[in-house]
Parts: sequence; C-alpha cells; structure tokens
Amino acid sequence: GNSVTQMEGPVTLSEEAFLTINCTYTATGYPSLFWYVQYPGEGLQLLLKATKADDKGSNKGFEATYRKETTSFHLEKGSVQVSDSAVYFCALSRSLNQGGKLIFGQGTELSVKP
Amino acid sequence: GAVVSQHPSWVICKSGTSVKIECRSLDFQATTMFWYRQFPKQSLMLMATSNEGSKATYEQGVEKDKFLINHASLTLSTLTVTSAHPEDSSFYICRPEGGLYTEAFFGQGTRLTVV
Repeated sequence: GNSVTQMEGPVTLSEEAFLTINCTYTATGYPSLFWYVQYPGEGLQLLLKATKADDKGSNKGFEATYRKETTSFHLEKGSVQVSDSAVYFCALSRSLNQGGKLIFGQGTELSVKP
Repeated sequence: GAVVSQHPSWVICKSGTSVKIECRSLDFQATTMFWYRQFPKQSLMLMATSNEGSKATYEQGVEKDKFLINHASLTLSTLTVTSAHPEDSSFYICRPEGGLYTEAFFGQGTRLTVV
C-alpha cells in the first residue's frame, strides 16, 4: 500500500542553519506530494506541493523536489529562523479533491534556537 | 485559500459525557469530510470519511458508535464523541473537501481532554 516515511525528530538547529528533512514514499502510479506544517496547538497548513516528477515546490524559503527515481521529496531551507519551529509532515495523495485520502508521514519536529 | 472553521478549539469534559465538535467550510461546499485524530508527538490518523448526506465510512479500529459523524449539509459536519473516556483525549482535526481546490485545507483542530 501507499506509505510515507520521514526522518525522525526532533531536529534542533541554530538560527540561519541549513535544514534538510528527509521524506521517502511508497506508492503505485504517480501520486501528488505535499509538505504540511503544524504550529503548536493548530491544524495543518500546506507549505508546498509537487504533482509530477521533477517538479519543485517552494514557499517561504522552503523547497522540495519530486524525485521519482529515488521516491523522495526532501524538504530543504537554506537559513532557518526561530519562527520555523514547528512539526513538518510529508504526505501523498493519489486523488486529492476527488475524495482521495492523504497519507501522512510520522512528522518531524523542528526546533530552531536563537 | 479556503476558509475552514472548527469549534471548539479546546474542551474539557467529564468521563461519560458526550462532546460535539463542529467543522464548517465557510466559502466552499464540502462534498467530503475527513476526520483525523492526533496523539501527542504523532502523526494524523484518519478516523472516518463522510460524504454529504451519506453515512460515514470508518477506518479499521475506529468505533462508529463512539465517534458519531453527521454530514447533513455541504458546509457543516459534526463529530460527536459519545461517553468519552480519558483515552479519548486527543487532538481532533477536520478536513473538508470539495469545489475546485487542488489542495487540502484543515480545521484548526480541537484539543479534547477527558477527566
């Protein structure tokens, strides 16, 4: 079945450090891939997405490239800020907005220290 | 993006009582509603999926008589936790889906604490 695996957290970085959160997936066909962010006590917000191989999603300095050959969608940011502290979820869906399920990874907690 | 309103944001209740959580899609018609629960430091687990006007489909291991889902209109769905127990304490999140959006929008979540 479809699944998503993320690197375990928590990840603790100093401000302005480089961030990578690994995400790999298992799926049949060509799913869409997403990164969601969850700030404490809140629901999830879409951070970025990619819908086909080699697409690069980007938002707020974060980037992720859909790599079909390695079934990966790693999240990167060149210089993190304290305000980026949150939990990040990688997810996939075969048919979003058609009643399709979102499959989530386990989440990676990021803590950025000043 | 779409506007989703989930209430209450937090609730404390006594064991044995029932709690209702509302999820509204304010600017689109939600033909499908997904309800998730999230334990501390864990991912979201899908509990059930409902289509407007139909009975919900529950994921394996989720008690349908305990977690009552009503999706009677295209803008409102409710999740009622019946006869709540401390082990039901969790963070519950809704995700309405519909319209022309190609991304998912979530409610703000409800922190339920059963004492």
